[in-house]
Amino acid sequence: NAGVTQTPKFRILKIGQSMTLQCAQDMNHNYMYWYRQDPGMGLKLIYYSVGAGITDKGEVPNGYNVSRSTTEDFPLRLELAAPSQTSVYFCASSYGIKNIQYFGAGTRLSVL
Amino acid sequence: DAKTTQPNSMESNEEEPVHLPCNHSTISGTDYIHWYRQLPSQGPEYVIHGLTSNVNNRMASLAIAEDRKSSTLILHRATLRDAAVYYCILRDRGSQGNLIFGKGTKLSVKP
Repeated sequence: NAGVTQTPKFRILKIGQSMTLQCAQDMNHNYMYWYRQDPGMGLKLIYYSVGAGITDKGEVPNGYNVSRSTTEDFPLRLELAAPSQTSVYFCASSYGIKNIQYFGAGTRLSVL
Repeated sequence: DAKTTQPNSMESNEEEPVHLPCNHSTISGTDYIHWYRQLPSQGPEYVIHGLTSNVNNRMASLAIAEDRKSSTLILHRATLRDAAVYYCILRDRGSQGNLIFGKGTKLSVKP
């Protein structure tokens, strides 16, 4: 039972570099989400998607982009990495707007 | 979404019951009460949710006050694996689906 899979688990970026955080789910969920969690804080929503081809901004979208070309995948793109983007990133999915969200194990990103 | 208030931290002994409180005095009639927990170095996981009546599942019980202004997550026999941050989240029936996380309660379990 894979659930929600995130890669990579860890990454160190230099300021100005770009990268894509990968997220895949095998539960046929229509909703997918990206959150970030800063040390000692709760999670904050970056972007979410209600289905393939449909995405929308969350609370903290600046500096990030997303796409959803398939039901299974929801990659998060950082174009010009900044130290403020040092955080742990979690991807989640759910079947339906009100249902339980299932989270991946996270990607720990440091921007130096 | 309405705000919740939880203690920053709590301690428990292994194999004893744990009662994790949550205050939500501004809850609306359409808000569900959700609990998630986050084990160290892992993503959050769903624990339980309810609207008005008390709820039980294999992980925990949720006791909801009659006026719905507070609730308590009950772990019947704490294990070392239950050491985690527990988040109490209000989720409107008509919300877009994202969860609004506060800082939660960090539960420590002593052997």
